[in-house]
Amino acid sequence: QQQVKQSPQSLIVQKGGISIINCAYENTAFDYFPWYQQFPGKGPALLIAIRPDVSEKKEGRFTISFNKSAKQFSLHIMDSQPGDSATYFCAARPEADKLIFGTGTRLQVFP
Amino acid sequence: KAGVTQTPRYLIKTRGQQVTLSCSPISGHRSVSWYQQTPGQGLQFLFEYFSETQRNKGNFPGRFSGRQFSNSRSEMNVSTLELGDSALYLCASRRGLGNEQFFGPGTRLTVL
Repeated sequence: QQQVKQSPQSLIVQKGGISIINCAYENTAFDYFPWYQQFPGKGPALLIAIRPDVSEKKEGRFTISFNKSAKQFSLHIMDSQPGDSATYFCAARPEADKLIFGTGTRLQVFP
Repeated sequence: KAGVTQTPRYLIKTRGQQVTLSCSPISGHRSVSWYQQTPGQGLQFLFEYFSETQRNKGNFPGRFSGRQFSNSRSEMNVSTLELGDSALYLCASRRGLGNEQFFGPGTRLTVL
């Protein structure tokens, strides 16, 4: 019930391509869905977040798509760049409670 | 605005020792959470403190403990270290319980 399932585990994308990472959850009490980006040796950095009252949120090249009925959400990185190479974590949280993280996706963008 | 700071950044200990890690949240943030990150288990929640009170605890043994001070700074203590405690320990702060959470750079603990 408390799990967030993330896929794929790793992703290789050509520069300029679209990177798509998917997450699924079971707990309908989750009401906040952030994505974090982590570079080696650094802590996770908040990238973009969405609440379930909207189906999509876009910030620059990063877009979250949210499907409440399917209990799924995904991160799309448009025009992927080598500098986007990092590990991405989805997460979910019930109101004011702790974050539950997905297992992470290692993205590699090749020139 | 300064981010979340953690000290020390790297630590090497031997089995059986104890260790204390420190976290200073972003100014104005009253909540501090601690996470353990390992390649095998990913990011696992340890505990959260808000206004000096522990309000949430993950599924870790009692060897892991923490506290928060009146200035919102937090410390985490691990006693009787085991090899499996080797990990990146991350601290995250947020202004209130419903706000975005921001992570520090972590403390890399190696237990030999």
